[in-house]
Amino acid sequence: EAGVAQSPRYKIIEKRQSVAFWCNPISGHATLYWYQQILGQGPKLLIQFQNNGVVDDSQLPKDRFSAERLKGVDSTLKIQPAKLEDSAVYLCASSLRDPGKGYEQYFGPGTRLTVT
Amino acid sequence: SQQGEEDPQALSIQEGENATMNCSYKTSINNLQWYRQNSGRGLVHLILIRSNEREKHSGRLRVTLDTSKKSSSLLITASRAADTASYFCATGESNDYKLSFGAGTTVTVRA
Repeated sequence: EAGVAQSPRYKIIEKRQSVAFWCNPISGHATLYWYQQILGQGPKLLIQFQNNGVVDDSQLPKDRFSAERLKGVDSTLKIQPAKLEDSAVYLCASSLRDPGKGYEQYFGPGTRLTVT
Repeated sequence: SQQGEEDPQALSIQEGENATMNCSYKTSINNLQWYRQNSGRGLVHLILIRSNEREKHSGRLRVTLDTSKKSSSLLITASRAADTASYFCATGESNDYKLSFGAGTTVTVRA
């Protein structure tokens, strides 16, 4: 079974530039999550999708961050314009929506963003 | 804000020793999960314990949950160099599949 795929793995941009991250979840996983992990901290949920609908985006800085999950499969997270404090690893995860199979999430390798 | 807090922040042990780390949380939960993150990589799910369970085992891992104290512990027995990683507890507060992660415990296993 293929895991969660993310690209790019690394990105360096200057502040005020824009950047986009891509995620392909595990086949059949209806729920998709984007997390921000700042160095030395745990992951912080930015947005949660159920199929192509948003379940929770309460911690997404909507003035600069946007995300979409067209067709309920792949997802894209965009930052425009980037700030220095956006330097972090952006993790994508997916999960089955089936209480009988547990609530565990499967994570991709992440995209390390450096804003200079 | 993060729900869970791990203790200690960092732990250094000799290969073969046991490692114990704790997680405290603030609100009622549906389940609690532990994840491992190796340097520069994504998180890997280790074990899940539901709010009506008190103890769970998986290989060399043992997790306990005390909902009255709002705390959990993760024990890794007979540690190996490959166990060197950061360990995160994550709490699920309801049936919406959302998790809140703590800041993690960094474990170093010395050969």
